[in-house]
Amino acid sequence: GNSVTQMEGPVTLSEEAFLTINCTYTATGYPSLFWYVQYPGEGLQLLLKATKADDKGSNKGFEATYRKETTSFHLEKGSVQVSDSAVYFCALSAPTAGKSTFGDGTTLTVKP
Amino acid sequence: DAGVTQSPTHLIKTRGQQVTLRCSPKSGHDTVSWYQQALGQGPQFIFQYYEEEERQRGNFPDRFSGHQFPNYSSELNVNALLLGDSALYLCASSFGGGTAYNEQFFGPGTRLTVL
Repeated sequence: GNSVTQMEGPVTLSEEAFLTINCTYTATGYPSLFWYVQYPGEGLQLLLKATKADDKGSNKGFEATYRKETTSFHLEKGSVQVSDSAVYFCALSAPTAGKSTFGDGTTLTVKP
Repeated sequence: DAGVTQSPTHLIKTRGQQVTLRCSPKSGHDTVSWYQQALGQGPQFIFQYYEEEERQRGNFPDRFSGHQFPNYSSELNVNALLLGDSALYLCASSFGGGTAYNEQFFGPGTRLTVL
């Protein structure tokens, strides 16, 4: 079946540091890939997505590129802020499945 | 636009009891998916409702059941509660069934505690 593996956390960075959160997936066919963010006490918010190979999703300074050859969708940001502290989830959705499969999440803490 | 709303916010039950959680989708959406998020883990898909029918189901026992109403709102019912059912239950809405191309919008969740 489909699965998503995220780098183990938590991740602690200083403000303005470079962020990478690794995500790899296993799926049949050509899934769409997503990054969601969850702030304390809230539901998930879609951060960015990519629906086909080599697509780059971007939003609020975050980027991720759909790499089919390595089955990866790593999240990057060039300069993190304290307000980026949250839990980040990588997810996939296969066109035939009608549901999303999530990784276990990576907790990011950014210190001033 | 109120977005996806869920009720109640928090709920405390004892083992063996039954619970009903409610979800109203974002305006214009007709598909509702339910997820269980245990502490420190990612959301796990329970089931999805589209056109008032259960279209997809994850690996959850029959104790978990649901319903979708003509106005697209949905309920999640859990019978014979176990301690392991304690989790955040998330509702997500989208349009047209499926989630590969249509963005899901998540509600804030219902925190269920089973004692």
